[in-house]
Amino acid sequence: AQKVTQAQTEISVVEKEDVTLDCVYETRDTTYYLFWYKQPPSGELVFLIRRNSFDEQNEISGRYSWNFQKSTSSFNFTITASQVVDSAVYFCALSATSSGGSYIPTFGRGTSLIVHP
Amino acid sequence: NAGVTQTPKFQVLKTGQSMTLQCAQDMNHEYMSWYRQDPGMGLRLIHYSVGAGITDQGEVPNGYNVSRSTTEDFPLRLLSAAPSQTSVYFCASRPFAGTTEDEQYFGPGTRLTVT
Repeated sequence: AQKVTQAQTEISVVEKEDVTLDCVYETRDTTYYLFWYKQPPSGELVFLIRRNSFDEQNEISGRYSWNFQKSTSSFNFTITASQVVDSAVYFCALSATSSGGSYIPTFGRGTSLIVHP
Repeated sequence: NAGVTQTPKFQVLKTGQSMTLQCAQDMNHEYMSWYRQDPGMGLRLIHYSVGAGITDQGEVPNGYNVSRSTTEDFPLRLLSAAPSQTSVYFCASRPFAGTTEDEQYFGPGTRLTVT
């Protein structure tokens, strides 16, 4: 079985603060992919990043960075100098072969980030 | 490409009524799925399909039916609506069913209220 835990239900910060959203996963597979999606207040779900289990290099995209650590089964997401537009629900997801032949992804419950001006 | 489209955007039903939520994608994706999103529960998989004519149950299938007669369309039917089915419903697709590497493309969602 596989599992994704986003222990932080809601995080509230003031603009320009840095914030890290945690994602911890469980899987027996050695080959898997991890994803982050963003759901702004408008409601649509937007793909942010994908990382495969063989690539532990951290990724940076502007103010966003992702830290993948297999040793702790974590794929954390950091927003530097947060802005009001970052306010959204963020979902972490795992896709692995042990989820069944059709590779059904497993989603965490999401972290709601509120950035106050 | 329109991507993944869903209709309607909003719907109010009375208990016991039936209806179909429509989902279509124009990207020739093999895999399509339906999720419901409830506060604090994240996204829960209702049904999914790995190709035309093939569907299977997800985590919360009770009260819902699906069919996949074409690659493009994946409608979700509520047989007899109940207040517990009040939720936001998302349709999603991805290119291939048998891989783990692709992200999912989500529709805009349908907000359903059952009174």
